[in-house]
Amino acid sequence: DADVTQTPRNRITKTGKRIMLECSQTKGHDRMYWYRQDPGLGLQLIYYSFDVKDINKGEISDGYSVSRQAQAKFSLSLESAIPNQTALYFCATSDFRDPGELFFGEGSRLTVL
Amino acid sequence: AQKITQTQPGMFVQEKEAVTLDCTYDTSDPSYGLFWYKQPSSGEMIFLIYQGSYDQQNATEGRYSLNFQKARKSANLVISASQLGDSAMYFCAMREGQSGGSYIPTFGRGTSLIVHP
Repeated sequence: DADVTQTPRNRITKTGKRIMLECSQTKGHDRMYWYRQDPGLGLQLIYYSFDVKDINKGEISDGYSVSRQAQAKFSLSLESAIPNQTALYFCATSDFRDPGELFFGEGSRLTVL
Repeated sequence: AQKITQTQPGMFVQEKEAVTLDCTYDTSDPSYGLFWYKQPSSGEMIFLIYQGSYDQQNATEGRYSLNFQKARKSANLVISASQLGDSAMYFCAMREGQSGGSYIPTFGRGTSLIVHP
């Protein structure tokens, strides 16, 4: 089983729908991140969390919200999805004691029609 | 301003040849880390190599090496003896600050590498 698991892996939805992408990890890391990947733009940070009580906005947080339900779980929500949010979403974790290597989930491909 | 710049949107290399993927970075922090990740067509992100700003030697991992030129603020990835399986997107990333600090990784836009037989 993967150390960082994302669900769903693929999702097609309609404009205006609420969507939740879930991430769980078994690595015991305190830090978790949500990134968005668009072709030609690399990975852009949406939100990050350094522990359960610490949530921070990234560079493109508008239109998104997150919840850190436990050390191992970090969910990303799109309250009212729009086509512009069609992208590949990655959850990642890291351990503050390490050089900062990110451990990625397999990605969630979201299509908003 | 971009903190990580990858100027090559696409690169082509012949199988068994070496290839260099460019990455320049911008930081005023004396302590930082540089990373390279590989993303094959299947989509997953695979960690390749890490270089710390205080490391005296260039990092190497098998066929991957990082050509770290601190004064030029460049951290180019060198892949020796390219294989067909090396065809993928490659991302350079940087974490500013020391381990345990509050800085988070930022990514370049990536370079698409195609290895020809």
